[in-house]
Amino acid sequence: EVQLLESGGGLVQPGGSLRLSCAASAFTFSSYAMSWARQAPGKGLEWVSTISGSGGSTYYADSVKGRFTISRDNSKNTLYLQMNSLRAEDTAIYYCAKDYLLAARSDCFAYWGQGTLVTVSS
Amino acid sequence: QLVLTQSPSASASLGASVKLTCTLSSGHSTYAIAWHQQQPEKGPRFLMKLNGDGSHNKGDGIPDRFSGSSSGAERYLTISSLHSEDEADYYCQTWGTGVVFGGGTKLTVL
Repeated sequence: EVQLLESGGGLVQPGGSLRLSCAASAFTFSSYAMSWARQAPGKGLEWVSTISGSGGSTYYADSVKGRFTISRDNSKNTLYLQMNSLRAEDTAIYYCAKDYLLAARSDCFAYWGQGTLVTVSS
Repeated sequence: QLVLTQSPSASASLGASVKLTCTLSSGHSTYAIAWHQQQPEKGPRFLMKLNGDGSHNKGDGIPDRFSGSSSGAERYLTISSLHSEDEADYYCQTWGTGVVFGGGTKLTVL
């Protein structure tokens, strides 16, 4: 059974940094694009970033471009999100998601993790 | 601009059927979408990928009670024989220039 387990969330001050991790299991991690999405308290889902299976291509929402960096370590089956210059509006539950297609990027999210909460507040 | 529109809320009785709608913005009527379910305090769950011709591929373990259909720019999720655990938020998602989510529909099972 595919499992995605996020970690690394917590309370951080505005302007601070945080690194999220997503440990994946039960599928060939390097063969799938992976993404991060977020959900502010009481709000809907918002796409954040996507990375190709090889890690060679990355994509970002305008709201995080230049502040967040997505990466992956295929030897560890782990996805990362480095978040810098955090703002109050970045407060959300962050989810990692596995792409629907093998060996290609479809941007259709076929599996989700349970999420990790990031709170940006002084 | 690629936008998905969903009604904020819907309700139906236990054991009945309900049809949720997701509408693609003008010029994007052929796009495929995905439907996701989010039960209270849980992460989202992929239900299905739904194509413009109405064909769909469901996620692992999704019951037959969940089905999808399409008409023009409208994408539908039908849930039959409603169970109490179907009370959840339902989001549609599409992709093109980036990834886009609809605002979600909160389904109440009466």
